[in-house]
Amino acid sequence: GENVEQHPSTLSVQEGDSAVIKCTYSDSASNYFPWYKQELGKRPQLIIDIRSNVGEKKDQRIAVTLNKTAKHFSLHITETQPEDSAVYFCAASEAGTALIFGKGTTLSVSS
Amino acid sequence: DTAVSQTPKYLVTQMGNDKSIKCEQNLGHDTMYWYKQDSKKFLKIMFSYNNKELIINETVPNRFSPKSPDKAHLNLHINSLELGDSAVYFCASSPRDRVIGETQYFGPGTRLLVL
Repeated sequence: GENVEQHPSTLSVQEGDSAVIKCTYSDSASNYFPWYKQELGKRPQLIIDIRSNVGEKKDQRIAVTLNKTAKHFSLHITETQPEDSAVYFCAASEAGTALIFGKGTTLSVSS
Repeated sequence: DTAVSQTPKYLVTQMGNDKSIKCEQNLGHDTMYWYKQDSKKFLKIMFSYNNKELIINETVPNRFSPKSPDKAHLNLHINSLELGDSAVYFCASSPRDRVIGETQYFGPGTRLLVL
């Protein structure tokens, strides 16, 4: 079955810096790669996703890149703000399957 | 107007009790899921239903029994609760796509504490 590895487990940056979180997956059949943000005590919220027919996707300060050959995808957050502090999860799935999540990255943005 | 809702939000109970968690979605989605988030924040799939039919059943003790009375509802019943069942249980739903994975929307979670 699918296995998703996520790094780093914790990431501390200064406000205004960029943050990068990387994930690798094992199942070449996976074709959907979402990123979720989870604030303390809240539900995971989708922030951006990418499908396997696309190499890169951007939404304001957030971007995701996908390298299908190497089976890895990354989340890039630019101009970080204190409200970006949260736990970020990557995940992978294919049609009709549940999301397999990475173990999460705790991002701390200090002002 | 909540898209995916769960009840109760909090559940504190004694070991050995039986409890149920309910989930409802008003998004018209065909597929619903139960995920467990443990104390280390790891999110793991437990079950998935498509249009009332069980399609994913991960290695979960048979004390856990999901039930889907219709495609908008997915409930989780847990028998003989154990300390290790303490976790946050999230329900999620997604439309069904036979070609590519689809966005999943999560409920607010049910925080279960077994004493």
